[in-house]
Amino acid sequence: AQSVAQPEDQVNVAEGNPLTVKCTYSVSGNPYLFWYVQYPNRGLQFLLKYITGDNLVKGSYGFEAEFNKSQTSFHLKKPSALVSDSALYFCAVRDRTSGGSYIPTFGRGTSLIVHP
Amino acid sequence: EAQVTQNPRYLITVTGKKLTVTCSQNMNHEYMSWYRQDPGLGLRQIYYSMNVEVTDKGDVPEGYKVSRKEKRNFPLILESPSPNQTSLYFCASSGNNYGYTFGSGTRLTVV
Repeated sequence: AQSVAQPEDQVNVAEGNPLTVKCTYSVSGNPYLFWYVQYPNRGLQFLLKYITGDNLVKGSYGFEAEFNKSQTSFHLKKPSALVSDSALYFCAVRDRTSGGSYIPTFGRGTSLIVHP
Repeated sequence: EAQVTQNPRYLITVTGKKLTVTCSQNMNHEYMSWYRQDPGLGLRQIYYSMNVEVTDKGDVPEGYKVSRKEKRNFPLILESPSPNQTSLYFCASSGNNYGYTFGSGTRLTVV
């Protein structure tokens, strides 16, 4: 079985400050990990993914995430937040050993609010 | 442009009146899925399909039907909608690049 936890329903940060949105996961094998962003009245947009290789993954809009196998975490980060980053963020995991299954599990989402 | 297209974007209907939400992808993806999004509950999977004529239940399949007669289309059918199916619905697809492409969503209200 696979699962994802986003422990914070909401994260507040001031514009220009660094931001972190937390995600931890559980899979029986090795994970594929994803971050998606949802702006109001829009669908989910892909931000970045970890498949293999470097633990630090860089994605769209200046976001990055660090895969930490020992802590089973994949936290989303950005060095300097913008008001326009305010949105709902979803972490997702897929078990690499699922025999070709594409089925991901999504977290409940974290609302990021960046204050001017 | 590679995309997943859902229609309609907004729908208000009455209890018991059958409806279909269409989903189409132009990326030749094998995997397609339907999710509903409700406040505080995140994304919950309704049904998914691994390929043509292959569908399976997700976490919340009750009250929904799907079909996959062609690779590009994966309609969601509500035979007898009820108010508890008022929600925001998303269709998604995935190929062999590990990522998922989502449609823009369908906001359904059942009165």
